[in-house]
Amino acid sequence: KNQVEQSPQSLIILEGKNCTLQCNYTVSPFSNLRWYKQDTGRGPVSLTIMTFSENTKSNGRYTATLDADTKQSSLHITASQLSDSASYICVVSGGSQGNLIFGKGTKLSVKP
Amino acid sequence: DGGITQSPKYLFRKEGQNVTLSCEQNLNHDAMYWYRQDPGQGLRLIYYSQIVNDFQKGDIAEGYSVSREKKESFPLTVTSAQKNPTAFYLCASRTAGLNEQYFGPGTRLTVT
Repeated sequence: KNQVEQSPQSLIILEGKNCTLQCNYTVSPFSNLRWYKQDTGRGPVSLTIMTFSENTKSNGRYTATLDADTKQSSLHITASQLSDSASYICVVSGGSQGNLIFGKGTKLSVKP
Repeated sequence: DGGITQSPKYLFRKEGQNVTLSCEQNLNHDAMYWYRQDPGQGLRLIYYSQIVNDFQKGDIAEGYSVSREKKESFPLTVTSAQKNPTAFYLCASRTAGLNEQYFGPGTRLTVT
């Protein structure tokens, strides 16, 4: 079964600290993986998208990694800010029909 | 949120009433999608349309209906047959190529 699992479910960190969010998937065949940021009550906004051949991609303070062999991805946030408080959703495109499979998200709270 | 608009942002209805959620995009995208988001769950696909006058059921289409008469518009009707309609509804449209989806701001529907 095609699945995307994210951990932790929620995370609280202090402003200025770094954190890493995890995503494991069992989607096959794999097309690409993206990370979205979703503020409360808003639509998700794309942070990064990676294909099979890409190991790392950065977007400002956000750095995503992909290990296609172990089917794992991580999103590293550097020097967190209060505005980073949001849910971060890992989404894998693939499967027999190329649909998007969504993780349940990690809810990050950055405290002053 | 890009060039995708959803209206209204909040919608309240009585049980047994049909309600239509609006989704408009000015990105000239061919494909459009409707998702449902519930607390603690990943986004679930309701319906999608890859071209005008054509649409396909997603994973949870029961109790919903859509139309795609124009490229820019993909309204979703939540019918009285939907047993648990209270949720956050997200519309998205897709570019060609990397399958990047852009999400609207969402509509929160509450049925009492």
